[in-house]
This record gives sequence, structure tokens and C-alpha cells, in this order.
Amino acid sequence: AQSVTQPDIHITVSEGASLELRCNYSYGATPYLFWYVQSPGQGLQLLLKYFSGDTLVQGIKGFEAEFKRSQSSFNLRKPSVHWSDAAEYFCAVGARGGSYIPTFGRGTSLIVHP
Amino acid sequence: DTEVTQTPKHLVMGMTNKKSLKCEQHMGHRAMYWYKQKAKKPPELMFVYSYEKLSINESVPSRFSPECPNSSLLNLHLHALQPEDSALYLCASSPDRVEETQYFGPGTRLLVL
Repeated sequence: AQSVTQPDIHITVSEGASLELRCNYSYGATPYLFWYVQSPGQGLQLLLKYFSGDTLVQGIKGFEAEFKRSQSSFNLRKPSVHWSDAAEYFCAVGARGGSYIPTFGRGTSLIVHP
Repeated sequence: DTEVTQTPKHLVMGMTNKKSLKCEQHMGHRAMYWYKQKAKKPPELMFVYSYEKLSINESVPSRFSPECPNSSLLNLHLHALQPEDSALYLCASSPDRVEETQYFGPGTRLLVL
């Protein structure tokens, strides 16, 4: 079975600073990988996903993520954070074949200081 | 139409009440999901419907009863809930159950008194 680890519970950055949220996964093959964002009291919105191909994935709202097979990682980055980016971020991993239902990490809460 | 809608947005119910949550999508998706999410936690999968048939039940108590009347609609019937069932209930859909991205609704915030 697959698993995903988000090592940081909280991340605090200043507005305009760069951001990197970490995600490590455990799976025997190349998984499907997702990043979702959730604003308070809202549903989850897909930021980006990796299925195959180019390991650098561009998403919405200026986010990107890079799949690194050797490190079993799929870290999320943004060059300049806006106050509206403050939210909960979930990394998820899905297994290829069979039940692909994604497994979610525990989430990282992003706090943005003005 | 590229969204999943959920009603009601908020629900307060007593432990003896019967209520239902509704989820709707008009994207032609054939897989639909119910998740439960407690505060500061990731979503926990409850049920999966694939082509209107229940395909996954993650050992959810029988006081939660899902129903998929048609390919666009998913209900979650609630009866005799406990205070610990208070949570955000999220619905999601995907084109199919396999190898496809999930699209989430905004959720129903449930409080059980």
C-alpha cells in the first residue's frame, strides 16, 4: 500500500518570499501524485498532478512541483507567496492499477506574514 | 459545468434526527466519493460509487447510509449520529475510478448535538 508523509505541520513565510512544501511518498512503483489546497471551511482544490512525462509540473496559482524518483519526493514550490495563499496544503499519492484512490498526507498549514 | 455542489452548507442535528446530505455533479463523471474530514486532519474516505454501484465501503458505521440514485447525484443519509460524527463531509467525483483526478465539492459542515 502507498503512504505519504508531509513532514511540516506548519510553515510560516513572509509575503513575497519563496515557498517549498515537502512531500515524500512510499510506493513500489511510480505513483500518481497530487497537491490540493484547502482554504478554511472549503473543499479541496487541485493545484497540480503528476501522472507521467515531464517531472516538473506546472499548476494553477503559480505553483509548480517536481517529481524526484530517487528521493521519492514531490515538493511543491512557489517563487513569490501572496497573502491569499494562506491555507492547508495536502499532498496525495495514488497507486497505479486496481484501486487508485489517493492516500492523503496529514497536510501542511501555510501561514503568510505581511 | 465543472463543479461539484453540496447541500446543505451547514447542518445541525440531534442524535435522534434523520437527515440527508446531497451531492451533485454534471460533468458526466462515473465515480463519486464521500469523505469525512475532522479539523486539521486530511480527508478520510468513507464510500466510493462507481457507475452508480457501491464499490468501496471503508468500514463506516451503519448510521451512515449512502445512496446513488443516478449518475449525477449522491446522497448520504444520516441517522442516530453521535457527537463525534461532527465534521466536514466532502463529496468528490472523478471521470472514472481509475487513473483520474478527483474534483471536490465545498463540503457540508455537520454538527451533532
